[in-house]
Amino acid sequence: EPEVTQTPSHQVTQMGQEVILRCVPISNHLYFYWYRQILGQKVEFLVSFYNNEISEKSEIFDDQFSVERPDGSNFTLKIRSTKLEDSAMYFCASNRGGETQYFGPGTRLLVL
Amino acid sequence: AQKITQTQPGMFVQEKEAVTLDCTYDTSDPSYGLFWYKQPSSGEMIFLIYQGSYDQQNATEGRYSLNFQKARKSANLVISASQLGDSAMYFCAMTIGNYGQNFVFGPGTRLSVLP
Repeated sequence: EPEVTQTPSHQVTQMGQEVILRCVPISNHLYFYWYRQILGQKVEFLVSFYNNEISEKSEIFDDQFSVERPDGSNFTLKIRSTKLEDSAMYFCASNRGGETQYFGPGTRLLVL
Repeated sequence: AQKITQTQPGMFVQEKEAVTLDCTYDTSDPSYGLFWYKQPSSGEMIFLIYQGSYDQQNATEGRYSLNFQKARKSANLVISASQLGDSAMYFCAMTIGNYGQNFVFGPGTRLSVLP
């Protein structure tokens, strides 16, 4: 059964450094999403992406964040200059449209 | 804006018994979807069940069923015959519209199944 994959599973970085989180959505899906979950809290929407552009973003998704689909399979989230409060689990998700979103296993980001 | 409320931060249930996890939602959009996800301690988000706002029947998936009461704006998850492996966080989520809309998640309920 196809699944969303994410790399790395864990990332530790210094405050102020750039990080790129990678996702490979399910191959026939058209909509891609990033969510984050700060430890012990609920899952929060960051951004959705369709047809090679951002379709929606939350107030969390400020200028420090960017997303890209550099080729036909990868979907990346870049944080330009990480802050301590960016420490969280980051989930990528995808779907074909109106049905459920399928989540990847997440990348646990720790900013020191 | 849409909102999801889960009023039970934690629940306990005896193994083999049924348990209901509460979820209420708020939206003015007539077209929406309601979802439940399970998050075990390993952290991944596992899709359990989906209910569309126009679906006439309550959704069922194996031991999971969704008690959808549209007038009350509630979408409670019922787990029958609880198993130890059901111990996890459970999130209710909603999306509005038809395509490509983001999820709004509730705060979650931590379910502990007792042997």
